[in-house]
Amino acid sequence: NAGVTQTPKFRILKIGQSMTLQCTQDMNHNYMYWYRQDPGMGLKLIYYSVGAGITDKGEVPNGYNVSRSTTEDFPLRLELAAPSQTSVYFCASSLEPDDSGEQYFGPGTRLTVT
Amino acid sequence: LAKTTQPISMDSYEGQEVNITCSHNNIATNDYITWYQQFPSQGPRFIIQGYKTKVTNEVASLFIPADRKSSTLSLPRVSLSDTAVYYCPRISNFGNEKLTFGTGTRLTIIP
Repeated sequence: NAGVTQTPKFRILKIGQSMTLQCTQDMNHNYMYWYRQDPGMGLKLIYYSVGAGITDKGEVPNGYNVSRSTTEDFPLRLELAAPSQTSVYFCASSLEPDDSGEQYFGPGTRLTVT
Repeated sequence: LAKTTQPISMDSYEGQEVNITCSHNNIATNDYITWYQQFPSQGPRFIIQGYKTKVTNEVASLFIPADRKSSTLSLPRVSLSDTAVYYCPRISNFGNEKLTFGTGTRLTIIP
């Protein structure tokens, strides 16, 4: 199994541009998550999904959108990129709900908005 | 509001046992306690999980007292490769109660 994969690894965006961060897992996990991590800080939950077709907001959803059309894929869309969205983005998945189950994280996407 | 508190940083010498304690205020009856490890430029990695008493795996031990208001992650005979940030995520009360990773404990192993 490849686990959780994310693309791209790095990206530089200009203010106002848009992009989609891709996340795929091959473990047949129902639960998937998007986090952002600012330098020297912990992770903050952006959006999560409990299954295909079901998504919900996390702690910091503003400026982002997600969709979950399949069990495997959970893309994160940035509209009108702003410097405040410069961060490292991690996608994760779990078999069980996150209050009792192990989350598997991808390698991250480092995004810079200038 | 469920909340966890852990030290911001710790230093230890190679070969020593390191114990990192996390307090779990208002932990719910059915919540498990989990610990994650994060190396620079990588995503967090699950280390260990427990409900109460003691759990041991090939990486670490986890001690949870009967009242479950704290937990202690124990790393035996640390090496330089154990330098990382360690998290004991908490359940946040927004939405459907999701895990929230705070700033964690930055552990530095000194040669």
